[in-house]
Amino acid sequence: DQQVKQNSPSLSVQEGRISILNCDYTNSMFDYFLWYKKYPAEGPTFLISISSIKDKNEDGRFTVFLNKSAKHLSLHIVPSQPGDSAVYFCAASRRNDMRFGAGTRLTVKP
Amino acid sequence: DSGVTQTPKHLITATGQRVTLRCSPRSGDLSVYWYQQSLDQGLQFLIQYYNGEERAKGNILERFSAQQFPDLHSELNLSSLELGDSALYFCASSPYVSDSPLHFGNGTRLTVT
Repeated sequence: DQQVKQNSPSLSVQEGRISILNCDYTNSMFDYFLWYKKYPAEGPTFLISISSIKDKNEDGRFTVFLNKSAKHLSLHIVPSQPGDSAVYFCAASRRNDMRFGAGTRLTVKP
Repeated sequence: DSGVTQTPKHLITATGQRVTLRCSPRSGDLSVYWYQQSLDQGLQFLIQYYNGEERAKGNILERFSAQQFPDLHSELNLSSLELGDSALYFCASSPYVSDSPLHFGNGTRLTVT
């Protein structure tokens, strides 16, 4: 099931700079998109979401962008902080059927 | 704390055995989802229940089964276990309304030896 793809297994950025995590999906029927953050030994926690009727949603340092024509979404974190170091999963959903990408491990260096 | 409770946290068992993983959803959530995360892999969707009924099925093996009980807790049964079944198994719940995120438990780590 590769309906949601995160092609970068890892990303390393310097504290204070921008982190950009990318995600692609194949099913054009998806209408709700989310980002989750996961620390070791914990379950994924919801971070931010966007409905297909929007192209941008912002929450503090986190912004999600959706490009429906390209079937692409991205998460921008600015400024990045060491506490943001975690695995980030993108997810896409239709009628409560939610599928996840493989995750990107973000490391923010002090 | 997400409000989703999974037990046990860790499980070690031998090949060929059968185990049951348990999940209690957040108060008020009617839908339960099960996901499997193998080493360095993403979250693979297994199965979803809504108010006791199966709603969606993913890549769930025939050796695996699940159910959701009237009190809304769910159990995932894994039988004839193989080494490759070693993974983290996550349960998530949602109120099953449009555009609502899932809330995950902390998972059960299954080790098959």
